[in-house]
Amino acid sequence: AQSVSQHNHHVILSEAASLELGCNYSYGGTVNLFWYVQYPGQHLQLLLKYFSGDPLVKGIKGFEAEFIKSKFSFNLRKPSVQWSDTAEYFCAVIPYNNNDMRFGAGTRLTVKP
Amino acid sequence: NAGVTQTPKFRILKIGQSMTLQCAQDMNHNYMYWYRQDPGMGLKLIYYSVGAGITDKGEVPNGYNVSRSTTEDFPLRLELAAPSQTSVYFCAIGDTEAFFGQGTRLTVV
Repeated sequence: AQSVSQHNHHVILSEAASLELGCNYSYGGTVNLFWYVQYPGQHLQLLLKYFSGDPLVKGIKGFEAEFIKSKFSFNLRKPSVQWSDTAEYFCAVIPYNNNDMRFGAGTRLTVKP
Repeated sequence: NAGVTQTPKFRILKIGQSMTLQCAQDMNHNYMYWYRQDPGMGLKLIYYSVGAGITDKGEVPNGYNVSRSTTEDFPLRLELAAPSQTSVYFCAIGDTEAFFGQGTRLTVV
């Protein structure tokens, strides 16, 4: 079965700093890729998704992610973080031929005002 | 989260008790999922369903059962609760992306 690795467990940044969160997956076939965000005490919400086409995907709140097929990666980026971005971020993968959706362990982002 | 309703929101169970976590949707999605979320572990897939009458095991199905008699409902059953099942449980729906419910926080003591 596929697996998802998120390299950073906890990232601490100051406001206006740039963000990059790593995500790698292990699956040889075609996949759909997602980033979800979970604000404290809330459920997961979709930030962005990649199915096909332009490997640079733009999502809500200024986030973007780049799919690099050769590296099996789907890293999340934001040029300038805000205090309100403090949350936990999850990368997820669905293989194209089934709906077994797997998540990474998550990265907790703390943005200092 | 409109469209996915989980009940109850909180529950404390004693070891060995049983309970059913309810998940209902009104968005007519075929795919439904049950995850558990533990600190530092991300979300682990327990069971999923691709449509009424069809269920499949995920990563961590042991100790749980599901059924999918209708498109709308996907209950998760714990028959003999154990402390290791203390977790936050999320139901999700979606055919191309997942929409999550608000979660059920379960404590087994």
